[in-house]
Amino acid sequence: GAVVSQHPSRVICKSGTSVKIECRSLDFQATTMFWYRQFPKQSLMLMATSNEGSKATYEQGVEKDKFLINHASLTLSTLTVTSAHPEDSSFYICSARPPGEVSPLHFGNGTRLTVT
Amino acid sequence: GQNIDQPTEMTATEGAIVQINCTYQTSGFNGLFWYQQHAGEAPTFLSYNVLDGLEEKGRFSSFLSRSKGYSYLLLKELQMKDSASYLCAVKDSNYQLIWGAGTKLIIKP
Repeated sequence: GAVVSQHPSRVICKSGTSVKIECRSLDFQATTMFWYRQFPKQSLMLMATSNEGSKATYEQGVEKDKFLINHASLTLSTLTVTSAHPEDSSFYICSARPPGEVSPLHFGNGTRLTVT
Repeated sequence: GQNIDQPTEMTATEGAIVQINCTYQTSGFNGLFWYQQHAGEAPTFLSYNVLDGLEEKGRFSSFLSRSKGYSYLLLKELQMKDSASYLCAVKDSNYQLIWGAGTKLIIKP
């Protein structure tokens, strides 16, 4: 089955630093990947749609200068949280859909970010 | 606006059957998905319905009625490992996924 790999699984950083999270589709090419954020006991919130070779599409209220997305190849998208603050602490999950209109989203294992 | 409703929490007994309901109001419909999410982990795909009726996959079944904007996930022979959150998501006319808040299922021995 389709596999999405996300790295790192857990990161602790200091306020003001930047953190990069990688998302790879291991056995399929993904022109589009999705980045979600999930706070404790809440549902998934779509942050942005990452498009290979073009700019990402951000959801309303998500700062594009703070959450930098790069989708440089058909199998890799990265999310960089810049100048992190404690309120950015959350569970970040990427996902991708194999080719085919009815293919479900497959999720990476998520990254638990803690900003101190 | 677009909306998906699921119960916040449900409790069931090991070995029993539980039905988790999902109602939706979306701009268009292009399929409904159920995902399972264990605490601290990413969601995993369970089922997909685009036509009315029941889709069965082992202990899990999912039902859809498009005219009623309604779906349910049926879990049989409950096991302790089924304790998780179950997320309902609908793909709208723009093929965007709209997520429900999830139903936390607690299984008791």
